[in-house]
Amino acid sequence: GQQLNQSPQSMFIQEGEDVSMNCTSSSIFNTWLWYKQDPGEGPVLLIALYKAGELTSNGRLTAQFGITRKDSFLNISASIPSDVGIYFCAGNPRGNFGNEKLTFGTGTRLTIIP
Amino acid sequence: DVKVTQSSRYLVKRTGEKVFLECVQDMDHENMFWYRQDPGLGLRLIYFSYDVKMKEKGDIPEGYSVSREKKERFSLILESASTNQTSMYLCASSPTSGSWGNEQFFGPGTRLTVL
Repeated sequence: GQQLNQSPQSMFIQEGEDVSMNCTSSSIFNTWLWYKQDPGEGPVLLIALYKAGELTSNGRLTAQFGITRKDSFLNISASIPSDVGIYFCAGNPRGNFGNEKLTFGTGTRLTIIP
Repeated sequence: DVKVTQSSRYLVKRTGEKVFLECVQDMDHENMFWYRQDPGLGLRLIYFSYDVKMKEKGDIPEGYSVSREKKERFSLILESASTNQTSMYLCASSPTSGSWGNEQFFGPGTRLTVL
């Protein structure tokens, strides 16, 4: 099946730094979701986006639904140790009305350097 | 809060054994999904179900079957486990929105090792 392209694949940052990652697709998406997965756990939904241009925040996290409908961005401000994990984007391609399946990104692994 | 639970966090089985992975959700969701997650391959959909007794193949159904006898429960069955089925298995559920797709909520995962 199709996968979304996420970048970067991994990030090594210091505590307190801001983080940016993005997700792109060759086709138009109607929905963008961002998940975080801690080691050995299942993904947890962070933010859901449903309209082009939409900007949504959840605490220190901010995500945007790209105007072209082919991309989405996730920013984390002032990173803390519990932000460590893998971040996945997911979405529902245009035309998949009523199809509940999601397409997932390849993931961005975030590591905080002491 | 949506809660998705999986019967085991860790399982060790031998080649050829029949393996059952159980998933239960408590939010009356119509849709349930089984994925496997392997390093470098991301999340891959095995099977999903949009109603009781209904199922559809995902991207990698070979070697697996599923059962959904009750709305809240979705079981993944490995008829004869093989070493290449060693993986992290994730269950998810979502409501049917009638629109463009919906958030899926995941369980904690079952790490299966086949020896």
